[in-house]
Amino acid sequence: GAVVSQHPSWVICKSGTSVKIECRSLDFQATTMFWYRQFPKQSLMLMATSNEGSKATYEQGVEKDKFLINHASLTLSTLTVTSAHPEDSSFYICSAKLAGRVNEQFFGPGTRLTVL
Amino acid sequence: QQQVKQSPQSLIVQKGGISIINCAYENTAFDYFPWYQQFPGKGPALLIAIRPDVSEKKEGRFTISFNKSAKQFSLHIMDSQPGDSATYFCAASGETSGSRLTFGEGTQLTVNP
Repeated sequence: GAVVSQHPSWVICKSGTSVKIECRSLDFQATTMFWYRQFPKQSLMLMATSNEGSKATYEQGVEKDKFLINHASLTLSTLTVTSAHPEDSSFYICSAKLAGRVNEQFFGPGTRLTVL
Repeated sequence: QQQVKQSPQSLIVQKGGISIINCAYENTAFDYFPWYQQFPGKGPALLIAIRPDVSEKKEGRFTISFNKSAKQFSLHIMDSQPGDSATYFCAASGETSGSRLTFGEGTQLTVNP
């Protein structure tokens, strides 16, 4: 149980285009999902917290107009990287928190974004 | 106050040995301390977690030791195997921070056969 999927697993796009990454909780409802970014050989950095039906809360320094997050249902959150640039190339990982389970998060497999 | 410091940055252990990774935190409001294992190109997977009401938790070959007064916790991997070679992250969170996880810097573990 507690499986989180991401789609796509990898994507290559041209500079200036937008890319959407989906995060789904497959066998549970997730009232809260989190989006992280991880650069090579580095730790995970929280970008934003996404709550179903409400606006995402962004961490300091994360541009909310560039990284659009939508949490339209209890099993789906999307991250759209708008006007992507090479410096946005990274490993994007989502996680989902089970409703009623304090603290515990389950992570997706990640999406490798490469912007040319 | 939100930092979690992890050491060592890298660790090489012989097969069958004990791997020990340490973390220290500052925020006394943290009340959940998980360890994650991450293989290259994959998302992190929860290994084991502890709450501050116990000083030790063991699951199979993995043990967390927790020292509340020192604000430190560590992961011990007994009988380390080559398949354990991965990056390990400690993390911490608390209800007051909305369950947001603060991660350590990571430890790259290599277990030699």
